[in-house]
Amino acid sequence: KNEVEQSPQNLTAQEGEFITINCSYSVGISALHWLQQHPGGGIVSLFMLSSGKKKHGRLIATINIQEKHSSLHITASHPRDSAVYICAVGADGLTFGKGTHLIIQP
Amino acid sequence: KAGVTQTPRYLIKTRGQQVTLSCSPISGHRSVSWYQQTPGQGLQFLFEYFSETQRNKGNFPGRFSGRQFSNSRSEMNVSTLELGDSALYLCASSLIAGAGGANVLTFGAGSRLTVL
Repeated sequence: KNEVEQSPQNLTAQEGEFITINCSYSVGISALHWLQQHPGGGIVSLFMLSSGKKKHGRLIATINIQEKHSSLHITASHPRDSAVYICAVGADGLTFGKGTHLIIQP
Repeated sequence: KAGVTQTPRYLIKTRGQQVTLSCSPISGHRSVSWYQQTPGQGLQFLFEYFSETQRNKGNFPGRFSGRQFSNSRSEMNVSTLELGDSALYLCASSLIAGAGGANVLTFGAGSRLTVL
């Protein structure tokens, strides 16, 4: 069974700061997912990674398969980035991290 | 195009009752997976259906079941409800099988179940 650890659990930052959220997992995987969940529950898939790095707007996700580690970065953070960010791994059925509660203050 | 639609959005049941939740995937998506989210356990995988067949199942009791129809719509059922079943139930759809593999998932808004 894969164990997924995210850090930090909670993060409060000022608008404009560079944000990093980390995710480590215990067993080799075929892909890692970064998800965003806003209050109210809806989940949006941000990235699906199997190697290297992906960028979408101000969001960057990286993965190191050998070290079983991924990071999600937010550049020039904005209050609308406030949400829970969840890392998930798996092949047939996802195992989820506990999530990082991010608050960006104006 | 329309997203993933879950119904009902909110429902309240009492212990011992059963509940059925519905998920309509994005048109053309044949895989539907289900998840339970609670404050204590976070998000957990329930099961995945592809082409009307259950592909895999998470670690949940047999009270949790599901099915998929020929139009790819899926339902999940929870029988003999317990207080601990109160949760947000999410479904996600994808083009190909293997929920969580190299396969982008699109989530519905969820069905929030309260068991009294």
